[in-house]
This record gives sequence, C-alpha cells and structure tokens, in this order.
Amino acid sequence: EIVMTQSPATLSVSPGERATLSCRASQSVGNNLAWYQHIPGQAPRLLIYRASTRATSIPARFSGSGSGTEFTLTIASLQSEDFAVYYCQQYDKWSRGYTFGQGTQLEIK
Amino acid sequence: EVQLVESGGGLVQPGRSLRLSCAASGFTFDDYAMHWVRQAPGKGLEWVSGISWNSGTITYAGSVKGRFTISRDNSKNSLDLQMNSLRPDDTALYFCVKGSYLAEGIVDSWGQGTLVTVS
Repeated sequence: EIVMTQSPATLSVSPGERATLSCRASQSVGNNLAWYQHIPGQAPRLLIYRASTRATSIPARFSGSGSGTEFTLTIASLQSEDFAVYYCQQYDKWSRGYTFGQGTQLEIK
Repeated sequence: EVQLVESGGGLVQPGRSLRLSCAASGFTFDDYAMHWVRQAPGKGLEWVSGISWNSGTITYAGSVKGRFTISRDNSKNSLDLQMNSLRPDDTALYFCVKGSYLAEGIVDSWGQGTLVTVS
C-alpha cells in the first residue's frame, strides 16, 4: 500500500501571501496525484488532478507540480476562503488503493 | 445534480457487524467507479474501499482488508459496505463517494456521511 505523507501538518500564512504545501509518496505514482480542499462542514472539493491540472472552476492562484514521489500545491496570494485543510491523494492503480495524505491545515497567521 | 445518501450507521460493539448503504441519483450510476472514504474524529480522510463500474475490480485499504466487503447493485443504483469484526478504530464518519470521469480513483462527489461508532 502506498503511503502519502504531507508536510507541514499545520501552516500559518497571512492573507495575500503564498502558501506551499508538500506531499510525498512512498513509491512512484507517476503524475497520478490529486489535491482536495476541505472546509469543515462542506464536502471536499477537487482542486488539482494529474499533479498539475486545475479542476473546473478552480482559480488560477492554485497550482500543482511534481511527479513520481514529490508533489507541491502552491496557493498564490491567499484569500480568506482558502483557509482550510488540504489533502493529496494518489490514484495510480486500483491494485495499490487510492490513499490520501494525512492533510495540511492551512490557518490564518 | 448528483446525490449520494448514506444510511446504516450507528453504535455497535467491538467484534460485531454493520452494513452501510448508499443510494445514488442524478447520474448514470453504472458508468462510474464508487468508493467509501472515512474520517475518524479529529483525523484526516482515509480511503477505505473502491469498486469499478461493473464490480470487476475491487480494492481495499490494508486496515480493512479481510473484514469489509464492498458491493454494488447497478439495477438499484446502490452501493453497500459490509463491515465485520468491527474495532474501535473503525469509528468514523463514512462517506459514499463517486469516482470521476477523469480517473476512477479521483473523487468528484461526496455524500453527507453516516457515523459509525464502535464502542
């Protein structure tokens, strides 16, 4: 089973600044990596898939990069509605399962 | 509009069984993979199990393999999760989720969840 490790667990950033979140896979997943945003009380929202492709209606300030085992989600110029928990998820192969990382809590500094 | 409505959660003793169900509507159910994802209190999301559109491929997380069984009935637009030998660490909010047309493992719709408490 592939283990996804996110860092940091909590990130404190001021509105308007940039946030950089990391995700590491225990084995290569190619570019089969998605990022989700989860605001408590709401359903998680797909932000990025295929490591760097923004999902429908996702603002351009969200960008993803990486491949293999190292991935990054960058949020440029944080808005108030961006403070949430972010999860990465690998979806490489059925046989490996579709594991999530443990999440990064993005909080207002 | 996609709707996923879970049911069957509740309080159960360790070692006992519980069966969760999910009623799907608003999309062509048998075109998509479906999954169960859970979230323990104060914890993150954990993918539990997934099933392909025709039940030809089924996969489980290591933490539940051998204890949980996922199934679907495309004639009834329903997804089930049979949970046996439940443990306290299975306590969580269980979400029925829909795989995306982008890739079977990507989640594009979520139910509201059903709470399972093992105690």
